[in-house]
Amino acid sequence: GESVGLHLPTLSVQEGDNSIINCAYSNSASDYFIWYKQESGKGPQFIIDIRSNMDKRQGQRVTVLLNKTVKHLSLQIAATQPGDSAVYFCAEGRGGLTGGGNKLTFGTGTQLKVEL
Amino acid sequence: KAGVTQTPRYLIKTRGQQVTLSCSPISGHRSVSWYQQTPGQGLQFLFEYFSETQRNKGNFPGRFSGRQFSNSRSEMNVSTLELGDSALYLCASSLVPGGLYNEQFFGPGTRLTVL
Repeated sequence: GESVGLHLPTLSVQEGDNSIINCAYSNSASDYFIWYKQESGKGPQFIIDIRSNMDKRQGQRVTVLLNKTVKHLSLQIAATQPGDSAVYFCAEGRGGLTGGGNKLTFGTGTQLKVEL
Repeated sequence: KAGVTQTPRYLIKTRGQQVTLSCSPISGHRSVSWYQQTPGQGLQFLFEYFSETQRNKGNFPGRFSGRQFSNSRSEMNVSTLELGDSALYLCASSLVPGGLYNEQFFGPGTRLTVL
């Protein structure tokens, strides 16, 4: 069935280093993917998204890479800061008004810990 | 601009009771989705409402229901509560349903504990 999973439950990085968070998905019909950040006591916060026909998309300090051949998604965070400490989720979505609507399938999450 | 608000933030109920959770979307947003978050199952889609109509439903039993009002505010109800219903219930709103570049904004959630 459909699933979106993460390789590592916890990732520890030094402040200033780059972080790479990985995600595997199984539904080849996914139209887009989104990365969310969730801090303790808060709801998920949008970071960046990418359409399935793209390989790479960059934002401020973040880059998402999509490899459809191996159904793999990654989030790269440059110069990781203490404020980046959170749980990161990848999510998969399909279609628009006639497709999956706003239904997202989430991965299990990776805890990013930034060490000073 | 105010974000998504959810009430109450915390709730304790006992097995067999029912509960109603409320979500007020961002002003102007017409689509509201609900998710359940647990340590074991992660974030799971419950349902989505747009223009007072349920457009999508996840794989949850009929004890979970929802509705949307004409002002786009939404409520979800869980009847005959079970211990396994203990979770963080998240509401997300967007301008319209669906698709890329239609960002969903999440509220802080309602933490439901079933004893």
